[in-house]
Amino acid sequence: ETGVTQTPRHLVMGMTNKKSLKCEQHLGHNAMYWYKQSAKKPLELMFVYSLEERVENNSVPSRFSPECPNSSHLFLHLHTLQPEDSALYLCASRSSGGTDTQYFGPGTRLTVL
Amino acid sequence: AQSVTQLGSHVSVSEGALVLLRCNYSSSVPPYLFWYVQYPNQGLQLLLKYTTGATLVKGINGFEAEFKKSETSFHLTKPSAHMSDAAEYFCAVSEGSGGFKTIFGAGTRLFVKA
Repeated sequence: ETGVTQTPRHLVMGMTNKKSLKCEQHLGHNAMYWYKQSAKKPLELMFVYSLEERVENNSVPSRFSPECPNSSHLFLHLHTLQPEDSALYLCASRSSGGTDTQYFGPGTRLTVL
Repeated sequence: AQSVTQLGSHVSVSEGALVLLRCNYSSSVPPYLFWYVQYPNQGLQLLLKYTTGATLVKGINGFEAEFKKSETSFHLTKPSAHMSDAAEYFCAVSEGSGGFKTIFGAGTRLFVKA
């Protein structure tokens, strides 16, 4: 499989559950991103990893916990979420050099009940 | 600091008509500029980008954009809209100097009427 893949594509969870979102890129990139896309709001950058080190953390609540075990994989661990966390979560990757073009996965549609 | 403003959250055109989506940016350094498209239930896909050189940039699906430094604009156009162009379009700016942050506009949803 090529490009950026995300699993699951849809997730429904209760506020007390713990779940994880997974992102995998097959492009040989060394930087990976998590974004939150909510209705009627701009794309919100959550986390950036470069060479497996977190280089950006935009004041995201601690109930979101990222993990980047290697340059091809990125996880977002979720626990005790709130209904307002319901959104489309997008993963993206890019090369550290080059023209800053980001390649996006299809997203995980998260619903928190 | 960088910022992006997309004028109009919704634009509606008839099939075959000109598409014009407006984007203005603010940047303290020479910017890299992007247009991405998002179809329903999908991630963002790069349409075109400006980094350096020629200010008129051609992208996929017949779209093009012109970088106008004096107007700090990067408007997206297509001469003739097709029904398949209906989607949400995002303008974005980055510093292009090795930084990791790209700032995205709020998006413009394009409707195409038959």
